[in-house]
Amino acid sequence: QVHLVQSGAEVKKPGASVRVSCKTSGYTFTVHHVHWVRQAPGQGLEWMGWIDPSNGDRNSAQNFRDRVTMTTDTSMSTAYMELSRLRSDDTAVYYCARAGGMVLLDCWGQGTLVTVSS
Amino acid sequence: QSALTQPRSVSGSPGQSVTISCTGTSSDIGAYNFVSWYQQHPGKAPKVMIYDVNKRPSGVPDRFSGSKSGNTASLTISGLRAEDEADYYCCSYAGTHDVFGTGTEVTVL
Repeated sequence: QVHLVQSGAEVKKPGASVRVSCKTSGYTFTVHHVHWVRQAPGQGLEWMGWIDPSNGDRNSAQNFRDRVTMTTDTSMSTAYMELSRLRSDDTAVYYCARAGGMVLLDCWGQGTLVTVSS
Repeated sequence: QSALTQPRSVSGSPGQSVTISCTGTSSDIGAYNFVSWYQQHPGKAPKVMIYDVNKRPSGVPDRFSGSKSGNTASLTISGLRAEDEADYYCCSYAGTHDVFGTGTEVTVL
């Protein structure tokens, strides 16, 4: 059974960085891209980017291109998303999701709440 | 990279059908047959209901169907049930990135 388990909630100050982990199990990690999606309180879903664990290729949304770093550790079947220079409007639940195909996010992590507050 | 446009809310009585529209452009929905729909209950992670415009993952009831015409995709829920009350988001491939819709709240009256 496929599982994606994310790291716990974080509270950060403006200007800091945060790293969220996404530990996968139940499938071959290198076969599927991992996407990151966030959702601000009471708002909709926002696509952030994806990474290919087989070769490290990645693509991110224009809004985050200079602040987001996506990496993987294939030995741990784990993906990471680091967001730098945090602002208050980065307060959101951050999700990782496995891609089963184009825009087919077929299994999601439980979400990680990141709160940015001074 | 603007979000796709969805109605803020739709509603229907049990047993009725509702349709949610998702309007994009010729660079996303109009260009590719890669549209998916996600259901999200409060406090939960999204769940895929439709992918590749009109395909259902195993386990998704056939009450859920998808279609596309031009730059607009649609999700129809037939035989509405109480458990269908949730937020729904469309998502499209746009060549260089993916983009979600603004989200629609479905209320079962």
